[in-house]
Amino acid sequence: DADVTQTPRNRITKTGKRIMLECSQTKGHDRMYWYRQDPGLGLRLIYYSFDVKDINKGEISDGYSVSRQAQAKFSLSLESAIPNQTALYFCATSDLAPDEQFFGPGTRLTVL
Amino acid sequence: SQQGEEDPQALSIQEGENATMNCSYKTSINNLQWYRQNSGRGLVHLILIRSNEREKHSGRLRVTLDTSKKSSSLLITASRAADTASYFCATGQGGSEKLVFGKGTKLTVNP
Repeated sequence: DADVTQTPRNRITKTGKRIMLECSQTKGHDRMYWYRQDPGLGLRLIYYSFDVKDINKGEISDGYSVSRQAQAKFSLSLESAIPNQTALYFCATSDLAPDEQFFGPGTRLTVL
Repeated sequence: SQQGEEDPQALSIQEGENATMNCSYKTSINNLQWYRQNSGRGLVHLILIRSNEREKHSGRLRVTLDTSKKSSSLLITASRAADTASYFCATGQGGSEKLVFGKGTKLTVNP
């Protein structure tokens, strides 16, 4: 079984809809991250969490929110999706920071 | 804002040739990491080099770090078609627990 899983893997939604992307990990890591990837722009950090009680904004947090339900679960929400949030979203975990990160398979989100 | 910038943006070589990718960054770092991404999939960590190291090897990978020039290079020797992927550098910066990723180099290895 994969160490970092993301659901859904693909999602098509409409402008204005609320969307939740979920991430689970079995690596036992405290640190979890959400990134978005756009063609030609690399990965940009949306939010990160170093433990259940610690949530931090990243480079591009506007329009997004997160919830760390447990050490193993970190969810990303788009309260009211807009087309320019169409992107590939990745969850990642790490044991130490800023050391090696382990990535999930990604969620491809399309907002029409 | 992007910290690392990879060069070239795209590279196409024949199987068996060596591939060299470069990464430049702007501020002081704790470490520099290289990741591989196969098309549309999650990133996979390849190698980490710390700021007090100059060279590191892992299998067919060789990474160098020049902190005076704020640059790193990734060399893949005897490339294979399976090495076709995008390669990203990521920097771990002093005083921060975040990684900052570059925009990547797209490598195509032709059989």
